[in-house]
Amino acid sequence: EAQVTQNPRYLITVTGKKLTVTCSQNMNHEYMSWYRQDPGLGLRQIYYSMNVEVTDKGDVPEGYKVSRKEKRNFPLILESPSPNQTSLYFCASSLSQGALGPGELFFGEGSRLTVL
Amino acid sequence: GQQLNQSPQSMFIQEGEDVSMNCTSSSIFNTWLWYKQDPGEGPVLLIALYKAGELTSNGRLTAQFGITRKDSFLNISASIPSDVGIYFCAGQLETGGTSYGKLTFGQGTILTVHP
Repeated sequence: EAQVTQNPRYLITVTGKKLTVTCSQNMNHEYMSWYRQDPGLGLRQIYYSMNVEVTDKGDVPEGYKVSRKEKRNFPLILESPSPNQTSLYFCASSLSQGALGPGELFFGEGSRLTVL
Repeated sequence: GQQLNQSPQSMFIQEGEDVSMNCTSSSIFNTWLWYKQDPGEGPVLLIALYKAGELTSNGRLTAQFGITRKDSFLNISASIPSDVGIYFCAGQLETGGTSYGKLTFGQGTILTVHP
């Protein structure tokens, strides 16, 4: 079954304790991206990757890191989490259709993170 | 970052009614997309639009890519209870720019359908 898998789905942590949210897709997609969802703000892009070893900042990259060493995986790293990073996080992937861009995204089920 | 203004923010309708929502931007987009998010799940793509003026249907859903390339509309006809959820528009800026890989989402429209 084609899917984007995120782990963990739920996490409560404390300020400053490094954490990683993993994301894996089994569709051989080139493009992967991370979003955070907050009430009233919709989905805001954190980082994206057009292909292996290529990553770029989205609209809200501060406090986050990513890496793309393999095509299928795109982990999101919070080096020193703070309470304002409490949010619902989504990983997504797409084929990245050349000039048409990465629009037709497949989303994971989300990871709800609480930073105390 | 880029801003997409989606309206309305929420809608409460009766089953059977038609629904309209829209997104506007100050920037020109080369792609408009509409997604739906069911409670507790990730968004799912409903309709993708790639050409100014394009009108595309998916069952009871119809979406249009505005002629100015700065707006898009989604209509749902004869709503049913399972239409409940959050609807998001999303747009991608023109190719060739530094923002090629960015996909910007609207704030979402929360739809409630009363049986």
